[in-house]
Amino acid sequence: DTAVSQTPKYLVTQMGNDKSIKCEQNLGHDTMYWYKQDSKKFLKIMFSYNNKELIINETVPNRFSPKSPDKAHLNLHINSLELGDSAVYFCASSQQQGAGNTEAFFGQGTRLTVV
Amino acid sequence: KQEVTQIPAALSVPEGENLVLNCSFTDSAIYNLQWFRQDPGKGLTSLLLIQSSQREQTSGRLNASLDKSSGRSTLYIAASQPGDSATYLCAPRSYNTDKLIFGTGTRLQVFP
Repeated sequence: DTAVSQTPKYLVTQMGNDKSIKCEQNLGHDTMYWYKQDSKKFLKIMFSYNNKELIINETVPNRFSPKSPDKAHLNLHINSLELGDSAVYFCASSQQQGAGNTEAFFGQGTRLTVV
Repeated sequence: KQEVTQIPAALSVPEGENLVLNCSFTDSAIYNLQWFRQDPGKGLTSLLLIQSSQREQTSGRLNASLDKSSGRSTLYIAASQPGDSATYLCAPRSYNTDKLIFGTGTRLQVFP
């Protein structure tokens, strides 16, 4: 009964391909995030959505396009994959500020390897 | 821009020791601060959440304190065990942008 689930867990693909990572949360949260963890283990925010609307878009190449069909899902689509995109991508969710318990929960991560 | 630093970067101790992990942040306009642990190859597990109005929060052998005005939080681990070995991350949540900004982490190893 996973709170935040991501698929796939591992993804190996060639340069130039297009791939998607899916994320779903069953906590009833209204805010979802994508984070990237690089080879040095540093976690950096990429996107934040609140009730299906984009709130935060850090300086991320426009090859990365998040899509939120409903507030329980936030998928990440990546076009024209590059070697530097290899990393672990984490999805997270929480309530927005002022809406009660705002503890953030993370998925188990998707390890993307571009060859 | 929020910057988060964690000291020490790595720590190796025998089991049974009481530990102190430090987190400092540059922007004190935070809504809350969360501590996580990350095991190798795994996701992040939430340990403690401290609201900006709180001074400390406890869960079992873990105690986290927050001094928002000075931009510091400390995680105390009592009677450390080998199972505590992991990377510990702190993440203040910005009041203005609603972003969780992560520190660089403290890699802890507790040996028997």
